[in-house]
Amino acid sequence: DSGVTQTPKHLITATGQRVTLRCSPRSGDLSVYWYQQSLDQGLQFLIQYYNGEERAKGNILERFSAQQFPDLHSELNLSSLELGDSALYFCASSAPGQLTDTQYFGPGTRLTVL
Amino acid sequence: AQRVTQPEKLLSVFKGAPVELKCNYSYSGSPELFWYVQYSRQRLQLLLRHISRESIKGFTADLNKGETSFHLKKPFAQEEDSAMYYCALYNNAGNMLTFGGGTRLMVKP
Repeated sequence: DSGVTQTPKHLITATGQRVTLRCSPRSGDLSVYWYQQSLDQGLQFLIQYYNGEERAKGNILERFSAQQFPDLHSELNLSSLELGDSALYFCASSAPGQLTDTQYFGPGTRLTVL
Repeated sequence: AQRVTQPEKLLSVFKGAPVELKCNYSYSGSPELFWYVQYSRQRLQLLLRHISRESIKGFTADLNKGETSFHLKKPFAQEEDSAMYYCALYNNAGNMLTFGGGTRLMVKP
């Protein structure tokens, strides 16, 4: 599968803990985006990286951080977890386009904080 | 601030009936709009984008700048169209997508 991949698929942890979500973009894509999908907030943009550099920031909490590595995979780190952080976390990737980069989504990581 | 509104959380129609999923946006610049679909237990997939003006799986969407709308339409719904549909607006300055709350389409046999 040459699409966007995310690991793990499911993650169950306790409040106060820290987790790392991983994303591998489509082959050749330089941009990686992270989104949070929750029942009450819907689908929200968190952060974008382009070729290793942070490019855009959305509604990302200070307890969350991300990075993109030289091989272009990205990790989203969530710390001091709270119950409200339970959500589906999507990664998307895109290649440089003309005006707008079409984003291709991964299958998501479902995080449950108990 | 930009915003995308999908007023219907759930839309239920019978197979063969026309479908219109509503999307309204607010954005000060020139909008770039998308429709994404999420079938059960699958990832979000791009359905169509307004600049390409193409029809995918029989769906079309026309950008109406006067009414700030980008409604998704299909003349004859099929059961396999049942899914969550998200309208999204691309922010050139912020380089990000803003999504609407989504509409769940249920097509009954």
